[in-house]
Amino acid sequence: DSGVTQTPKHLITATGQRVTLRCSPRSGDLSVYWYQQSLDQGLQFLIQYYNGEERAKGNILERFSAQQFPDLHSELNLSSLELGDSALYFCASSVRQGAQTQYFGPGTRLTVL
Amino acid sequence: GENVEQHPSTLSVQEGDSAVIKCTYSDSASNYFPWYKQELGKGPQLIIDIRSNVGEKKDQRIAVTLNKTAKHFSLHITETQPEDSAVYFCAASDLGGANNLFFGTGTRLTVIP
Repeated sequence: DSGVTQTPKHLITATGQRVTLRCSPRSGDLSVYWYQQSLDQGLQFLIQYYNGEERAKGNILERFSAQQFPDLHSELNLSSLELGDSALYFCASSVRQGAQTQYFGPGTRLTVL
Repeated sequence: GENVEQHPSTLSVQEGDSAVIKCTYSDSASNYFPWYKQELGKGPQLIIDIRSNVGEKKDQRIAVTLNKTAKHFSLHITETQPEDSAVYFCAASDLGGANNLFFGTGTRLTVIP
């Protein structure tokens, strides 16, 4: 158990809908990263937050957004969902920005029908 | 941006034999190279990592080597056991920059008892 929690574990929804994925980092970790894992694209970095502020963006679609709250938990919002958004979404956390070790949560499996 | 290539995509070995997985990276700014193990239904778990100021690191049956000049690094697992069967990912990042991980495409290792 990495200490990173993600909810829900599974999510099934329809095209055009909007969903919110939640992540709680390890106790004391200030930095949160979101990654998408799909069969055709592999593991890809989406976005990073550090202590409530956005610090880096990767291949994140404009339909996706995220935020980190004062209690350091983070949410990833996915809107106008398409079939191709079906994937595993992982959250990882580290002590601080630039800290080498990222600890991954168990992921949320999103299925868009 | 960084591009990480990983080979082979699948690897089968007999129990007790060694397994080697190789990765190359493109960005000379990358200075941190972790390896993650992902079991079915779980998030990636860090198994070993190496920084660019070190050429080799070993932890029991697992070792990683880094050749900065050639921009490649490798994972070596000796005395493989059935529980080593999983998907292994290499990654690269720049700890002085955004620190997000760029992942290879993964190697599915099967250890045959």
